[in-house]
Amino acid sequence: AQKITQTQPGMFVQEKEAVTLDCTYDTSDQSYGLFWYKQPSSGEMIFLIYQGSYDEQNATEGRYSLNFQKARKSANLVISASQLGDSAMYFCAMRERTGGFKTIFGAGTRLFVKA
Amino acid sequence: NAGVMQNPRHLVRRRGQEARLRCSPMKGHSHVYWYRQLPEEGLKFMVYLQKENIIDESGMPKERFSAEFPKEGPSILRIQQVVRGDSAAYFCASSLGQGQSGANVLTFGAGSRLTVL
Repeated sequence: AQKITQTQPGMFVQEKEAVTLDCTYDTSDQSYGLFWYKQPSSGEMIFLIYQGSYDEQNATEGRYSLNFQKARKSANLVISASQLGDSAMYFCAMRERTGGFKTIFGAGTRLFVKA
Repeated sequence: NAGVMQNPRHLVRRRGQEARLRCSPMKGHSHVYWYRQLPEEGLKFMVYLQKENIIDESGMPKERFSAEFPKEGPSILRIQQVVRGDSAAYFCASSLGQGQSGANVLTFGAGSRLTVL
């Protein structure tokens, strides 16, 4: 079974608009961490945002926010006021005790920002 | 500290040769992870190491692949007798330690791109 599911292979968004990238996860642990990373065309992996399973508030980092719905096991990334430089691959990831604390990644969503 | 350092950035090998990829973790980080990424795909976990200890190698192919993180020096991912299917980007990441907290965010290197001719 997939631990991290990203159902949107590709997404388009108009510049300056908001976009939501979906991520669902599967775990039986009570304590786990959720992460989003960005991979631009240059190839490096850039950490964006973190959400702990016990955090009561949704995480926010600048234009990035994580819509954490624990009961639904979803951790969607919301990017507000999209910029052309946001065009990239976005990966959702999870780290759990059952998995031996390794971080596993979803298949990714490619975001295209249109001018 | 320049972060996680990987070298070489690009490596070309002929089938049957050996590939060695090196990774120096971020200063203060004691945990190293290796991931493989095929074109247009996500990152596949390979192995998780601490100094002188393999914590989890559940993602490593059973043959030809090995990894180490010695007491001194960088972590090394070694691929023996490479085949064309080994062509991929290999990313190393490091973190402070175990646990699910935000303190254990992975910091990635720039990746090593292996091409097998």
